[in-house]
Amino acid sequence: GAVVSQHPSRVICKSGTSVKIECRSLDFQATTMFWYRQFPKQSLMLMATSNEGSKATYEQGVEKDKFLINHASLTLSTLTVTSAHPEDSSFYICSARPSTGADTQYFGPGTRLTVL
Amino acid sequence: KQEVTQIPAALSVPEGENLVLNCSFTDSAIYNLQWFRQDPGKGLTSLLLIQSSQREQTSGRLNASLDKSSGRSTLYIAASQPGDSATYLCAVHMDSSYKLIFGSGTRLLVRP
Repeated sequence: GAVVSQHPSRVICKSGTSVKIECRSLDFQATTMFWYRQFPKQSLMLMATSNEGSKATYEQGVEKDKFLINHASLTLSTLTVTSAHPEDSSFYICSARPSTGADTQYFGPGTRLTVL
Repeated sequence: KQEVTQIPAALSVPEGENLVLNCSFTDSAIYNLQWFRQDPGKGLTSLLLIQSSQREQTSGRLNASLDKSSGRSTLYIAASQPGDSATYLCAVHMDSSYKLIFGSGTRLLVRP
């Protein structure tokens, strides 16, 4: 089946540093990937849509200069949280939609970010 | 603006019970609806996807129904097991962009 990985699974960093999270589709190509964040006991909120070879589309209220997204290949998208602060601590989940046009998305296992 | 609501927020049942989870959405112009399962601290596993033209989908002990006109979907779990304990999320696609709008989830505990 389709597998999406995320790295790292867990990261702790100091306030003011930048953190990069990778999302990879392991056995399929994904023209489109999505980044979500999830606060404790809350649902997933879409942050941005990442399109291979073009700029990401951000949802209202998401700072594009703080959450940098790069989708350089059909199997890799990265999310960089710049100058992280404690309020950025959250669970970040990516999903990938196969380029074959399937209706579904496949989700990664998530990355737990803790900013001290 | 589409809003997705799930009721109840939490549910605890003894093993073997049949149960129903509810999902409602305010804008009926959806592309499709999907039910997911999330285990604590983990990503999402897709359970069932219902196209807007469909009324229901079944997979094993799971059955999902969709009433698009009334803005409702239900997830029926038959003969629940402790391994079914997880958070269940419903999400709608509004158009072919495939952006998902999630409900707040139902946390299910099946007691042995």
